[in-house]
Amino acid sequence: GAGVSQTPSNKVTEKGKYVELRCDPISGHTALYWYRQSLGQGPEFLIYFQGTGAADDSGLPNDRFFAVRPEGSVSTLKIQRTERGDSAVYLCASSPGGLAGSGELFFGEGSRLTVL
Amino acid sequence: DQQVKQNSPSLSVQEGRISILNCDYTNSMFDYFLWYKKYPAEGPTFLISISSIKDKNEDGRFTVFLNKSAKHLSLHIVPSQPGDSAVYFCAVTGGFKTIFGAGTRLFVKA
Repeated sequence: GAGVSQTPSNKVTEKGKYVELRCDPISGHTALYWYRQSLGQGPEFLIYFQGTGAADDSGLPNDRFFAVRPEGSVSTLKIQRTERGDSAVYLCASSPGGLAGSGELFFGEGSRLTVL
Repeated sequence: DQQVKQNSPSLSVQEGRISILNCDYTNSMFDYFLWYKKYPAEGPTFLISISSIKDKNEDGRFTVFLNKSAKHLSLHIVPSQPGDSAVYFCAVTGGFKTIFGAGTRLFVKA
């Protein structure tokens, strides 16, 4: 497909479990972002990749959250020992280059995570 | 600390009238100011942006105004259509990061 693809679209898990969320960006886009959106809030920045490296991970809330992008394309957001407060929609976005520039990010439809 | 504030959680407008969505920001170092639109169960989509060196940008029915001295951004939609009903996010960029406001839900009544 031409757009950003995220899987799974919905994930229900139990407190304490491990979760992986996958993002497949638009082909050729070197920049990849993860955001988290809680109910009634705007997207909250988590981490930004330029190529394979995490250029800015200042938004990750704690060390239970980790993300990788080993080949500079697909990225996986990993959450260990999930807590109920982790429940949110996790959004992935990509863009052609590094600097935010005019800022247009291309978002996927998100992965809705529910921790019971 | 909220760097981007959208103080109106919702706005209701009659079809054909003007919709005005507002946004305030705190940091004068931001380079670009943007509006995104979001429908339920979809990701946000880019709508329109404006550079910090301009004060107005127009694209069809959508116009964004930037008042740097007041650190205020607004989006005007005229005429409003029922299909414009969505959540609108104000966003700012500086360097590599885009920061979003909490959003305003627009209802356009037919």
